[in-house]
Amino acid sequence: GAGVSQSPRYKVAKRGQDVALRCDPISGHVSLFWYQQALGQGPEFLTYFQNEAQLDKSGLPSDRFFAERPEGSVSTLKIQRTQQEDSAVYLCASSSSRDRAKNIQYFGAGTRLSVL
Amino acid sequence: AQTVTQSQPEMSVQEAETVTLSCTYDTSESDYYLFWYKQPPSRQMILVIRQEAYKQQNATENRFSVNFQKAAKSFSLKISDSQLGDAAMYFCAYHTGTASKLTFGTGTRLQVTL
Repeated sequence: GAGVSQSPRYKVAKRGQDVALRCDPISGHVSLFWYQQALGQGPEFLTYFQNEAQLDKSGLPSDRFFAERPEGSVSTLKIQRTQQEDSAVYLCASSSSRDRAKNIQYFGAGTRLSVL
Repeated sequence: AQTVTQSQPEMSVQEAETVTLSCTYDTSESDYYLFWYKQPPSRQMILVIRQEAYKQQNATENRFSVNFQKAAKSFSLKISDSQLGDAAMYFCAYHTGTASKLTFGTGTRLQVTL
């Protein structure tokens, strides 16, 4: 695709609901990143995949957060039993092998999650 | 821990003028990269400029340039001939040679006035 695509753009969830956020990286990009951006803050790293392998999940705030990329392309970030503090914009980024060497990541427009 | 500090929550510049956004960082790494990203209301982070720490020469991309002071751990962004389309949040970010993640500052909101 032309860019990183994320869906949905907006998600409203009631506290306690489970949500799934989708990221379609740029075609052929082997690296995929998830970031969480709270209101008025910079993005914070959640997790990183290289192909289907999750190489770093040190930023996931709790065991309610789970990410997968089973075929090395599309990724899903799942949040179980959502809480109000989960309200944020969730950004996905991807990088090719060549761009990874330059440490360049391309971002999607994010999913804004509001937990009521 | 690696940190990135942007001390200017908001800045304003008149169209066609020049503005400088500040950024400082803290690291013990010798191999790292610095970035400025722009985030318009559409929320998509757009790479503005990138600097490798081992390079002495300051990076330049058209109207955007940086002042990289390695000893002072300072990485400011200069926007020349400001345009209305430059209005956005600007984030300074840092990436080590070995880690996977970007570490971002808290951002500076740039307003461009007529």
